[in-house]
Amino acid sequence: GDQVKQSPSALSLQEGTNSALRCNFSIATTTVQWFLQNPRGSLMNLFYLVPGTKENGRLKSTFNSKESYSTLHIRDAQLEDSGTYFCALNNNRIFFGDGTQLVVKP
Amino acid sequence: DPKIIQKPKYLVAVTGSEKILICEQYLGHNAMYWYRQSAKKPLEFMFSYSYQKLMDNQTASSRFQPQSSKKNHLDLQITALKPDDSATYFCASSQEGTDTEVFFGKGTRLTVV
Repeated sequence: GDQVKQSPSALSLQEGTNSALRCNFSIATTTVQWFLQNPRGSLMNLFYLVPGTKENGRLKSTFNSKESYSTLHIRDAQLEDSGTYFCALNNNRIFFGDGTQLVVKP
Repeated sequence: DPKIIQKPKYLVAVTGSEKILICEQYLGHNAMYWYRQSAKKPLEFMFSYSYQKLMDNQTASSRFQPQSSKKNHLDLQITALKPDDSATYFCASSQEGTDTEVFFGKGTRLTVV
C-alpha cells in the first residue's frame, strides 16, 4: 500500500549469503511487524518491534521510528527462508507493504 | 496448536451461492480482522472489529457481512458469490488499539466456479 513501501520487490539469493530488506513508512507508527508468507500461504510472525533492534537466529530487524523505516537482515540464507516477506504497521487497521519475494537457491 | 482457527481450509462454491467462513481465536484478543489475498497479491484489508463492534470497513460490496456471535468469533458471510471472489481469506486478531501485535489464521482458500 501507499503507507508502507517495501524494497526490493523480488530477491534471489544463493544459499549461505546475506541480504537486507527494507520498509519505509509514510505514516507515523510506534511499532512494526515483519511476517513471512511461506509457499503454502501461511503467514508467520517474525518480529514485532518498537524502535530498536531484535534478533532471532539468522534474522535481525531494526526499526528507526524517527526516520520511518525498518530493515530485516537475513544472514546465511537457507532454502527454507524462501517466501514473501511483508512488513506492516497497525494503525487500527494493519497496513501491509507489497512484500519482497525471496527465492533462495542452492 | 493453532490459536486462530479458520474453517474450512478449502472451499469450492457455485456462482450465486452463499457461504460462511468461520474464524475463532483463542488468544484472548478483543480486536479481529478479515483480509483477502488474491493470487500473488498483497493482503487487502476488509474489516476490523473491536469488542464485537465494526470499527472499519473497506469492502465496497454489501455481499460481505461479518458476523460476531461471541467475542472470540468473527465469521464472514458472503452472498451471491462471484468468480472474482475467489481468493484466500485470512482472519487475524490482536489486542484492541493501535500498535498491537497482530496474528493471522492459516486462511480459507475460496474458489468460486
